[in-house]
Amino acid sequence: GAVVSQHPSWVICKSGTSVKIECRSLDFQATTMFWYRQFPKQSLMLMATSNEGSKATYEQGVEKDKFLINHASLTLSTLTVTSAHPEDSSFYICSASAGEGGYTFGSGTRLTVV
Amino acid sequence: QQQVKQSPQSLIVQKGGISIINCAYENTAFDYFPWYQQFPGKGPALLIAIRPDVSEKKEGRFTISFNKSAKQFSLHIMDSQPGDSATYFCAASIWRNTPLVFGKGTRLSVIA
Repeated sequence: GAVVSQHPSWVICKSGTSVKIECRSLDFQATTMFWYRQFPKQSLMLMATSNEGSKATYEQGVEKDKFLINHASLTLSTLTVTSAHPEDSSFYICSASAGEGGYTFGSGTRLTVV
Repeated sequence: QQQVKQSPQSLIVQKGGISIINCAYENTAFDYFPWYQQFPGKGPALLIAIRPDVSEKKEGRFTISFNKSAKQFSLHIMDSQPGDSATYFCAASIWRNTPLVFGKGTRLSVIA
């Protein structure tokens, strides 16, 4: 089945630094990638939708200058958390539409900002 | 406005029993209704999904029941096992290339 590889699985960074999270579709072309954030014991909240070769569409309340999304190819989408602060600590998950296979999710990235 | 309402928030079931989780949606344009299982520290994994042209779908111990007129769908886990203890999310979308909207999740604990 369709697989999305997400890296890193966890990262600790200092406040004020930037962190990049990568999601790669391994055996299919992901025209559209979705990025979610999940706080402990809560549901997945959509942050943005990215389409290959175009600018991402951000949900209301999500700072586009803080959460930079790049979808430069059909197999790679990245999320960069810029100038991270402790309140950005969360679980970030990417998802891709895999045609008839529905949606497939990455394994998630646990970001801790100290 | 929450578009997918999920209940219960938590559920405790005896081993071998039936676990039932319910969801209701508001947007009649939704036409894809999946259920996901998530273990701590992992991404959601698709369990089973249904389109609105059928009222029930079964895969192994997992069954989705779908009521289009009531705008409700539910997950039944038969012969629940301790290994089924996880958080379950219902979701809905307009098929393909639109994002999934998730319910708030149900924490299932199956006790021996």
